[in-house]
Amino acid sequence: EPEVTQTPSHQVTQMGQEVILRCVPISNHLYFYWYRQILGQKVEFLVSFYNNEISEKSEIFDDQFSVERPDGSNFTLKIRSTKLEDSAMYFCASSRDRGEDEQYFGPGTRLTVT
Amino acid sequence: AQSVAQPEDQVNVAEGNPLTVKCTYSVSGNPYLFWYVQYPNRGLQFLLKYITGDNLVKGSYGFEAEFNKSQTSFHLKKPSALVSDSALYFCAVSPGSGGYSTLTFGKGTMLLVSP
Repeated sequence: EPEVTQTPSHQVTQMGQEVILRCVPISNHLYFYWYRQILGQKVEFLVSFYNNEISEKSEIFDDQFSVERPDGSNFTLKIRSTKLEDSAMYFCASSRDRGEDEQYFGPGTRLTVT
Repeated sequence: AQSVAQPEDQVNVAEGNPLTVKCTYSVSGNPYLFWYVQYPNRGLQFLLKYITGDNLVKGSYGFEAEFNKSQTSFHLKKPSALVSDSALYFCAVSPGSGGYSTLTFGKGTMLLVSP
C-alpha cells in the first residue's frame, strides 16, 4: 500500500538556524499539506499546496515558512530562522483531490529547537 | 471558523465491550467529517469519513460513526473493542463542498482497552 514518507524522523537544531523538512507524498496525489502538533496540543493546519502554488495557509504560516515541490516527488517545508516555539511534530499529508478525499499522513518529523 | 470538540481526554473500556468516542463540531454549511487514529510513533491513519448520504458510515477495523446533523455530532463507535484498538483518536472536519480541504482537528481522545 502506498504511503507518505518523511525525513528525517527527528531533527535537532539551534535557534536561528534554517531547517528543511522533507516529504514524499503518494505518487498519484495532487494536493499536499503540512500540519504541526506541538506536544500536548491539537494538530494544526499550516499550508496546502496544489499545482505548484499555495492554496491556503493558516496564520501560523508566516514569512519564516515556505514550501516547495522541487521535483516530481518531494515536497518540502522550510523554516528560515527557527524559534524555540517551532519545536513540534510536523506532519506531511497528501490527497488525490480536495474536499471529499481523505488525506494520508506521513509518520512525522519531530523538530526540536534548542 | 470551524471547530471540533472531543469532550473526553480518555475513554476506558474492557475488551469485548462496545466503545464510543465522542465528537461534536461547529462549521457553517455541510461539512465533511473524518476520524483518524494515531498509534505511538506513527502518523495519523484514516479510519472513516462522512461526506453525504447515510448517516451511519463504516470504516476500517470494524469502526463506524454516526453523523447527527441536529446535534452536530459524529461519534465513533465499535460494537466489540479489542486491546489492539488502544490508541489516540482524532475527529476532524473540513468545510465541505466548494471549500478548501483544510482539516480542523479535535484535541484527541486516548482510548484504552483493557484485557
